[in-house]
Amino acid sequence: QSVLTQPPSVSAAPGQKVTISCSGRSSNIGENYVSWYQQFPGTAPKLLIYDNHKRPSGIPDRISGSKSGTSATLAITGLQTGDEAEYYCATFDNSLSGWVFGGGTKLTVL
Amino acid sequence: DVQLLESGGGLVQPGGSLRLSCAASGFTFSYEAMGWVRQTPGKGLEWVSTITGSGGDTYYADSVQGRFTISRDNSKNTLYLQLTSLRAQDTAVYFCAQLGTDFFAKWGQGTLVTVSS
Repeated sequence: QSVLTQPPSVSAAPGQKVTISCSGRSSNIGENYVSWYQQFPGTAPKLLIYDNHKRPSGIPDRISGSKSGTSATLAITGLQTGDEAEYYCATFDNSLSGWVFGGGTKLTVL
Repeated sequence: DVQLLESGGGLVQPGGSLRLSCAASGFTFSYEAMGWVRQTPGKGLEWVSTITGSGGDTYYADSVQGRFTISRDNSKNTLYLQLTSLRAQDTAVYFCAQLGTDFFAKWGQGTLVTVSS
């Protein structure tokens, strides 16, 4: 069982918007920055969002992140079939003195 | 362009040892903290260990503390992970990653470690 809780799967139609939630506690999300990663089968994770809402160079602005209290959200608008992947949230946990990840959310673009 | 290339994975018996390597290029290696994250087949991601740029400070997940050792050779731009007393539950793809301030900035393609008799 992962320290951070994500829905196992989400789905939406092409062109629509989807949000993926990431729930934690005060010792992790409540006190630290959240990052988000995209992973296609058989490949390495790729950084999508860091410091809760910042995008690395090359990540389109239809991908956004936010944080409120002990939860974070990844939003993707204008969904494309190429967005079908697994998405993970991550942060540092001060109680565990280590990094923690969500269990991952599989995005299906119908 | 940042590149991270892991090697050293393979099949090992329970109780055995293995050393993983991660060759880095495209950035000033000694300036950056580095880490290892593993992924069990079909499962999620688990942080394993991190090391500061100088190598002076190391950190481990409880699940590997005392069995795994992270190190680096800044003259060779290479990160290592020594795995000992391996267990079946250590079977996973091991990714090396360049750390940003509060995130894993770049990831290697991973190397598979299989612990089985």
